[in-house]
Amino acid sequence: QKEVEQNSGPLSVPEGAIASLNCTYSDRGSQSFFWYRQYSGKSPELIMSIYSNGDKEDGRFTAQLNKASQYVSLLIRDSQPSDSATYLCAVKFFGNEKLTFGTGTRLTIIP
Amino acid sequence: EAQVTQNPRYLITVTGKKLTVTCSQNMNHEYMSWYRQDPGLGLRQIYYSMNVEVTDKGDVPEGYKVSRKEKRNFPLILESPSPNQTSLYFCATSPTGTVYEQYFGPGTRLTVT
Repeated sequence: QKEVEQNSGPLSVPEGAIASLNCTYSDRGSQSFFWYRQYSGKSPELIMSIYSNGDKEDGRFTAQLNKASQYVSLLIRDSQPSDSATYLCAVKFFGNEKLTFGTGTRLTIIP
Repeated sequence: EAQVTQNPRYLITVTGKKLTVTCSQNMNHEYMSWYRQDPGLGLRQIYYSMNVEVTDKGDVPEGYKVSRKEKRNFPLILESPSPNQTSLYFCATSPTGTVYEQYFGPGTRLTVT
């Protein structure tokens, strides 16, 4: 059973709309949660981290965490064509310094 | 310029021929790690090192070795490569000594025939 799951997409969103990306994880002492963005042919880059329940906002990005539901999401407001990429959810579990990634959701912003 | 470098960037080799992929960083980061990325399987951690004295297995360590003799370098060694190790490999580093805030290298595309 996968420990971090994402819908692979593709997810298509009109320019200017809100893109909503979702991630669920197994309850194995989850500790910290991260969203990475990966453009085609490039390496992943960290865009958000969240450690406690609730919302965390950074510019157009909002990460939402609900540990009771084992759910973390990323909202992108005012979506731009430059947001078109694959978004990777990653979870750090207690007890080690490893990251477990989901398989990613491919997002396309339609001009 | 702060960066993570990997060499080679592309490599085609044959089954059983030992190879090393180098990773070097000039940011004085404590934590270094290796991942492989495969279609449908995502990014999977191979090995990580919290500092020069501590190295541990990730989720898919079989068939790989690592060495952390100095802070800036963390080579990935495939002693007897097999076709199932054909993949895109990323090195990542973090300034915190933990898995937080990782910076990824440019990637190495390895093909084993």
